[in-house]
Amino acid sequence: SQTIHQWPATLVQPVGSPLSLECTVEGTSNPNLYWYRQAAGRGLQLLFYSVGIGQISSEVPQNLSASRPQDRQFILSSKKLLLSDSGFYLCAWSGDGFSYEQYFGPGTRLTVT
Amino acid sequence: QKEVEQDPGPLSVPEGAIVSLNCTYSNSAFQYFMWYRQYSRKGPELLMYTYSSGNKEDGRFTAQVDKSSKYISLFIRDSQPSDSATYLCAMSNIQGAQKLVFGQGTRLTINP
Repeated sequence: SQTIHQWPATLVQPVGSPLSLECTVEGTSNPNLYWYRQAAGRGLQLLFYSVGIGQISSEVPQNLSASRPQDRQFILSSKKLLLSDSGFYLCAWSGDGFSYEQYFGPGTRLTVT
Repeated sequence: QKEVEQDPGPLSVPEGAIVSLNCTYSNSAFQYFMWYRQYSRKGPELLMYTYSSGNKEDGRFTAQVDKSSKYISLFIRDSQPSDSATYLCAMSNIQGAQKLVFGQGTRLTINP
C-alpha cells in the first residue's frame, strides 16, 4: 500500500530564516505531487504541483519554491521566511493517468515568529 | 466569487442525527467531486469521490452530485461522535493537470 511521509511535524522559525520541508511517498511510482497551505479555519490553497522529476508548476506568486529531486520526493523551500508564511503545510500525491483522487500526508505546522 | 462555496459552520448535531453537508460551485467544467474528512491537526482523508452526476453510497455516507444546479452534498446517517471533524469538498475538471479546488470546509460536531 502507498504511504506518504512529511517532516518535520512541527516547526517554529524566526522571520528571515530559511525553510526546508520534505515529503516522500512509498509504494507507488511516477506520482503527481502537490504542496498545499492551509491557513487556520480556511480551505486548502495549492502552492505547487509536479508531474515528474524536475517538473514544477507554481500556482501563486510567493516567497516559496519547490523541487523534486527524485521520483517520490518533494521539497518545499524558502530562503527567507515571512510572518505570512505561517500555516499548515500539506503534501499530497495522486496517481498518474486518469486518477483524480489525492491522498494527503500528515502535514507540517509552521509558525514564523 | 469563489469557484467553490462551502458553509464553514460550525454545525453541531446530536448523536444519531442525519447530517447534510453541501457545496456549490460555479465552474461547469468540474467533473470529479470529492469529500475529505480532516480531524484536528491532521491531514485530510479521502472519504468519497464521484464522477459527474448521481449518487454514491458507502456505509453511512452518501454523496450526491447535481450538475444542473452545480450543487453537491454529503449525507451522514446515524452520526457518531467519531464523525466530529472538518469536512472539505473538492472538485476538478478533466483538463490539464489533476488539480483540485477545495471548499473552505465545514466544522461538524456530533454531541453524545
